[in-house]
Amino acid sequence: EIVMTQSPATLSVSPGERATLSCRASQSVSSSLAWYQQRPGQAPRLLIYDASTRATGIPARFSGSGSGTEFTLTISSLQSEDFAVYYCQQFNNWPRLTFGGGTKVEIK
Amino acid sequence: QVQLVQSWAEVKKPGASVKVSCKASGYTFTSYYMHWLRQAPGQGLEWMGIINPSGDFTSYAQKLQDRVTVTTDTSSSTVYMDLSRLTSEDTAIYYCARGPFDVTRGYFDYWGQGTLVTVSS
Repeated sequence: EIVMTQSPATLSVSPGERATLSCRASQSVSSSLAWYQQRPGQAPRLLIYDASTRATGIPARFSGSGSGTEFTLTISSLQSEDFAVYYCQQFNNWPRLTFGGGTKVEIK
Repeated sequence: QVQLVQSWAEVKKPGASVKVSCKASGYTFTSYYMHWLRQAPGQGLEWMGIINPSGDFTSYAQKLQDRVTVTTDTSSSTVYMDLSRLTSEDTAIYYCARGPFDVTRGYFDYWGQGTLVTVSS
């Protein structure tokens, strides 16, 4: 099983500031990585797939980068609706799909 | 628009089984695989299994494969997840989620609203 590790567990950021979230895979997943946002009480929402492609309707302030074992999700200027939990997920080892433990982005 | 509508919350006793449904609309049901995932209270996401639309291909997470069964009904565009021999550790929100058109791409582009399953004596 490919283990995904996210850091930090919690990120405190002021509105309008930049947030940088990290995700590391225990072995290479190439670019087969997705990011999801989960607001309280809601289902996850796909933000990014193939490490850097924004899903339909996702604002340009969300960007993804990386390949192999190291990945980053950047939110360029945090809006109030962006305070949520973010998960990375690998799909290189299909269909043995695994998630990171999540990063909670909270208001500073 | 794509919609995945799941069945209502369930309360079950330990040792019982639960069956959760997921009705799809707004797209060609026979063109996309469906996944099931779950999320225990305050925890992260766990992938449980996948099924193709015709139901002749399934794959399950190793830790659940002797207890979970996923089926489809193409006539009603509905996918079902059956989990048996429930314990308190199965208390979670269960989600169905659609895979993309390229079936080998294992991300989830649309999600159901979730179904809370509570296992309690």
